[in-house]
Amino acid sequence: QVRLEESGGGLVKPGGSLRLSCAASRFTFSDYSMAWIRQTPGKGLECISYISRDGTTIHYADSVKGRFTISRDNAKNSLSLQMTNLRAEDTAVYHCAREGPTWFFDYWGQGTLITVSS
Amino acid sequence: EIVLTQSPVTLSLSPGERATLSCRPSQSISSSLAWYQRKPGQTPRLLIYDTSFRATGIPARFTGSASGTHFTLTINNLEPEDFAIYYCQQRTSWPFTFGGGTRVESK
Repeated sequence: QVRLEESGGGLVKPGGSLRLSCAASRFTFSDYSMAWIRQTPGKGLECISYISRDGTTIHYADSVKGRFTISRDNAKNSLSLQMTNLRAEDTAVYHCAREGPTWFFDYWGQGTLITVSS
Repeated sequence: EIVLTQSPVTLSLSPGERATLSCRPSQSISSSLAWYQRKPGQTPRLLIYDTSFRATGIPARFTGSASGTHFTLTINNLEPEDFAIYYCQQRTSWPFTFGGGTRVESK
């Protein structure tokens, strides 16, 4: 069964930085595009970043552009999200998700909570 | 950004009844729409993709359809395990966006 496991969440002050990781297993990671999707009570589900299987295509939501950087290491089956200049509105549960053969997200990690607060 | 408006916000039904969920995009998205189910403590589960195709292992009581720019998820003969939150999502253009969700609750 496909497994996606996020780590790196926690409490951070406004303006701070954090790096999320997503460890992928039980599938050929390099064959799939991946994304980071966050959920907040107020804004619901928001797809904030996307990376193609070879890393050549990257997208960011306007809400995080210039502050977050997505990357992947296909040799280590790992997806990352470097987050800088964090704001209170970045408080959310962050999920990594796999874009499946249907071009939609067929597997999601359980998520890691980020709280941005002073 | 394409905004997806889901309605109703909450649907109160009994097991055995039919649930009809709506998703309206703010602009044309062709057929590139999916539906997900989310239960407490679980990750979203892909139900329907490309408007009307059931994902692997999804029971036939889940049906996706579209009429013009109006998309519908129909759940026939609700089972107890179907009470959950349902989200639509488009991938026609970046950013990929989700609707606000419809909660299907037991009456």
